[in-house]
Formats: sequence, structure tokens, C-alpha cells
Amino acid sequence: EAGVAQSPRYKIIEKRQSVAFWCNPISGHATLYWYQQILGQGPKLLIQFQNNGVVDDSQLPKDRFSAERLKGVDSTLKIQPAKLEDSAVYLCASSLRITEAFFGQGTRLTVV
Amino acid sequence: ELKVEQNPLFLSMQEGKNYTIYCNYSTTSDRLYWYRQDPGKSLESLFVLLSNGAVKQEGRLMASLDTKARLSTLHITAAVHDLSATYFCAVLSFPRIDSNYQLIWGAGTKLIIKP
Repeated sequence: EAGVAQSPRYKIIEKRQSVAFWCNPISGHATLYWYQQILGQGPKLLIQFQNNGVVDDSQLPKDRFSAERLKGVDSTLKIQPAKLEDSAVYLCASSLRITEAFFGQGTRLTVV
Repeated sequence: ELKVEQNPLFLSMQEGKNYTIYCNYSTTSDRLYWYRQDPGKSLESLFVLLSNGAVKQEGRLMASLDTKARLSTLHITAAVHDLSATYFCAVLSFPRIDSNYQLIWGAGTKLIIKP
């Protein structure tokens, strides 16, 4: 079974620039999550999709972050404009049931 | 609001020793997860604990859940270097009656096992 795929693995941008991350979940997984993990902390949920609908985006900074999941499969997370404090690893995860979520390898973003 | 606290946050130990990582949470939940994360890698699911008194074991790791005490433990027996990683617990939360579930994460315990 293929895992959750994310790209790019690493990204360095200057503050105020924009950036986009891509996630392809495990086939058949209806639920997709985007997490932000700041160094030394646990993951923080940014947004949760069920198929192509948003279930929870209460912790997404909507003035600069946006996400979409077209056709209920792949998803993109965008930051525009980026701030220094956005430096983190962005993790995508997918699940079939709430019993277990499978995580991708993440995108490490550095904002300079 | 559900809060999850892990301790210790950092643990350095010798191979062959036993130790326990603790995960406390502040409000009622009946589902708790343990994950492992190696440096630069993703999160790997270790255990899902679904009920009070649940105990699961895999190799040198054993996890338990006490929902009344709002406490889970991850016990390491006769530690080996390969178990060096950061361990996270996460607790299932329903923030509002009409809301979907969320996973609330601890800050992680960085475990270093010295040969």
C-alpha cells in the first residue's frame, strides 16, 4: 500500500513570499489533514477535510493560509504571504477511520 | 479545552534500562494514540488505546490507558539504541457537541538511548 505522498520535501523562501505544498493521500482515504509542527512541539491541526468538504479549519490562519482538496483526493496548502513564524514542518495525513491516521514525510519550510 | 501534557520532555538513558513516559490529559476522552517520530521523518503509529484499562505491547514497548486518571503510560523495557526517537501521545477530542473530532497532541518526549 502506497503511503501519503507530499512535495516538496524542503522549501526555503523569503518572508512575504508565497508557497504551496501538495499532498496525495492513501487511495480510498476520505479524511485528509494538514498539520503544522513547529520544532520541539507536537503537531497542530490546521485543517481537516472529509472528501472535498472542510470539516474543521478553526486553527487555520485564514488571512494567509488556504487549502483545497479538489475532487476529494489530492490537496494543496498555500501560504501567502509567509511570515518568519511560519517556519515549520507541514505534515499531511489521511485516514479511513478515526482509529488511525497515516502521515506523510512532511515539507520542511524555512522562512528567512 | 482539552490539554495534553507529556513528561518528561527529554530522556537520556542507557541501554538495558527500563523507563516510563507519561501522558496526562485534562478532560474526558476514551481514545488515545502513541506515535513515534525519528529525526527528519514522519510520524509512525505505535498504539491505539480504546478503553479504560487497555494495554498493548509491541516488542519492548508497552502502552496502557487509565481513563479515570486521564493518564496513559508508555513503558520501555530493556531499552535498545534503535528505540531512540521522539514519542508523542495524542488524545481524541470532540471540542463541541456539533463538531467533528480532533486529535490533541502532547509536546513529545525526546528519548535518547546510549549504547
